[in-house]
Amino acid sequence: GAVVSQHPSRVICKSGTSVKIECRSLDFQATTMFWYRQFPKQSLMLMATSNEGSKATYEQGVEKDKFLINHASLTLSTLTVTSAHPEDSSFYICSARPASQGGYEQYFGPGTRLTVT
Amino acid sequence: QKEVEQDPGPLSVPEGAIVSLNCTYSNSAFQYFMWYRQYSRKGPELLMYTYSSGNKEDGRFTAQVDKSSKYISLFIRDSQPSDSATYLCAMNSGGYQKVTFGTGTKLQVIP
Repeated sequence: GAVVSQHPSRVICKSGTSVKIECRSLDFQATTMFWYRQFPKQSLMLMATSNEGSKATYEQGVEKDKFLINHASLTLSTLTVTSAHPEDSSFYICSARPASQGGYEQYFGPGTRLTVT
Repeated sequence: QKEVEQDPGPLSVPEGAIVSLNCTYSNSAFQYFMWYRQYSRKGPELLMYTYSSGNKEDGRFTAQVDKSSKYISLFIRDSQPSDSATYLCAMNSGGYQKVTFGTGTKLQVIP
C-alpha cells in the first residue's frame, strides 16, 4: 500500500517551453501533497505544499508564477514549470500525506528528471 | 548553521558489517524523527520513524534518538549489498509541521 506515482519519469524540453509533472496517490487519499526539488549531493528542498481544493503554499524563494501547482483531487497534484530555463533542470519529487495518518508520515513518488536544453 | 547536519559520506563497508549513520540537529522542538532510504534516481522510501527519545528496532535496522544531545542514529546490522543507497534523516515538530531533511549519507556495502 501507500504507492505514489509520478509521470513522466524523465523529460527533456527546450528553453522557454512549459512542462507538466503529475503526482498521483494510487491506493490512498492524500489531503496534502508536497513538491520537492533535489540537486546532486544536496538534500530535498521543499518547494511547496498543496492541499486539495486550495491554493498551494510556496516556500520562501520559490516563484509561484513559475512553478504552478494544482491539487484538483485527493489523488492528483500537478506541477507545471513555466517558461523553463536550463537552471530549472533538476530532479523533482512529490510526496503525499495520507488523510488518515499523523503529520510526520509522507510517501514519495519515484521522481521526475527534468532537463532543459 | 543548518537545522539538520548529516555527513554526506560516502561510507564504504564490507558485507556483514554493522553500519552507523548519524544526524545532529539544532531545533529542540523536533519530536518526530524519520529515516529514509533513497536508491539512485528514485524517490525516498520511509524506513523507520521514532517519536521523541528512545530506540526502535525493525529487523536489521535500529533507530536511536537522544534528544538531550540532539543526536539521532540508524544502525544496520549484517549489512547487505542491497543496502547500498543514500540514507536521509528527517524530522519535524509534529502535527502537520514541515519536515526538515538532512543531506543524506551515501552508503556502499561491498560484497
